[in-house]
Amino acid sequence: DTGVSQDPRHKITKRGQNVTFRCDPISEHNRLYWYRQTLGQGPEFLTYFQNEAQLEKSRLLSDRFSAERPKGSFSTLEIQRTEQGDSAMYLCASSLGQGDEKLFFGSGTQLSVL
Amino acid sequence: EDKVVQSPLSLVVHEGDTVTLNCSYEVTNFRSLLWYKQEKKAPTFLFMLTSSGIEKKSGRLSSILDKKELFSILNITATQTGDSAVYLCAVAPAGTYKYIFGTGTRLKVLA
Repeated sequence: DTGVSQDPRHKITKRGQNVTFRCDPISEHNRLYWYRQTLGQGPEFLTYFQNEAQLEKSRLLSDRFSAERPKGSFSTLEIQRTEQGDSAMYLCASSLGQGDEKLFFGSGTQLSVL
Repeated sequence: EDKVVQSPLSLVVHEGDTVTLNCSYEVTNFRSLLWYKQEKKAPTFLFMLTSSGIEKKSGRLSSILDKKELFSILNITATQTGDSAVYLCAVAPAGTYKYIFGTGTRLKVLA
């Protein structure tokens, strides 16, 4: 088990383009989270999945953002019509649940919108 | 609104010094508090504190939780240059799955 894996590590895109990120959680973890982090700030919650069900979504998440977790395994986060303000590190985390709530983070996808 | 405040924002010490990092919180029905170390990309887990576990220790690092005064501290003794990182505190309110993170404390340990 190599931990939480995210792909790509870096993404540079032009404003208005769509981007998609992938996260592979630790295999036995049924809980998966997406966070966004900008320079000098702590991670900001975006959304949460328990297995394939999306159970919580930040009110700050605009309708340009969508996430899926088909079959309760890997997850994708898509941003449509990117804006410069979307530039950030997108972090994925997973946890075992069942009373063990420690979050294990991936190395993130650094998005730059030009 | 739920919030987590960490202090100081940054700290520079010399190797061998002891540091204390603070995390205060205001959340609805506290569930748990996590401490993380972030060096470059992925935050790595340090401690989890709950009502049933208000004190944790691992090597030179230790943490306590004061549920009455709504804060936690992270102590690092005999600091080393490898301790240089951003230390993040996160709190989970009951009734939600998310963790709310503070802005972190940037620690630099000089040789």
